Amino acid sequence: GQSLEQPSEVTAVEGAIVQINCTYQTSGFYGLSWYQQHDGGAPTFLSYNALDGLEETGRFSSFLSRSDSYGYLLLQELQMKDSASYFCAGTPRYSSASKIIFGSGTRLSIRP
Amino acid sequence: DVKVTQSSRYLVKRTGEKVFLECVQDMDHENMFWYRQDPGLGLRLIYFSYDVKMKEKGDIPEGYSVSREKKERFSLILESASTNQTSMYLCASTMGGRRADQPQHFGDGTRLSIL
Repeated sequence: GQSLEQPSEVTAVEGAIVQINCTYQTSGFYGLSWYQQHDGGAPTFLSYNALDGLEETGRFSSFLSRSDSYGYLLLQELQMKDSASYFCAGTPRYSSASKIIFGSGTRLSIRP
Repeated sequence: DVKVTQSSRYLVKRTGEKVFLECVQDMDHENMFWYRQDPGLGLRLIYFSYDVKMKEKGDIPEGYSVSREKKERFSLILESASTNQTSMYLCASTMGGRRADQPQHFGDGTRLSIL
């Protein structure tokens, strides 16, 4: 089957660093994406990893290891506004269109 | 900026009613998607469309149908609403083709309650 696994909740302190992991069991994805969703809001795109390695965008970085079927989102210098749910997502390699499968999401809570 | 607009933010309907959820995007995107989001289950794909009048089933199509008569509009239809279809429904769109690096642009969602 095709699924992406994430921890359901993570708690961190303001100013700290947190890593949200995503593992997948599938025949293969075209890379891994990350989305952020605040309560009551729409998911918004954060990053995409097509190749193995680290992609950095400001305070957020995303990592992919296709051989390990594993990726993570790294958030640095945490701010209270980073409290949200984070979803990893992938496009199955044999899908017929730009179909994406989402993980069940990780709720990140930031403490002062 | 891409704008994806869903017709209602909140909707309350009764069991057995036929329910229409509308979604419009303004960026000439080929691909459009309908998801439902439930606590602990993430986003689950109901249907998607990669062109006008073209559609494919997602992971949970039972009890739903879709219509795409114009490129900018993608409708989700609950043929006979049931209480287990109470959920948040999200519409999204992307550019055409199978480029996996394209971000999905989401509407603000419709919170549907079936009584």
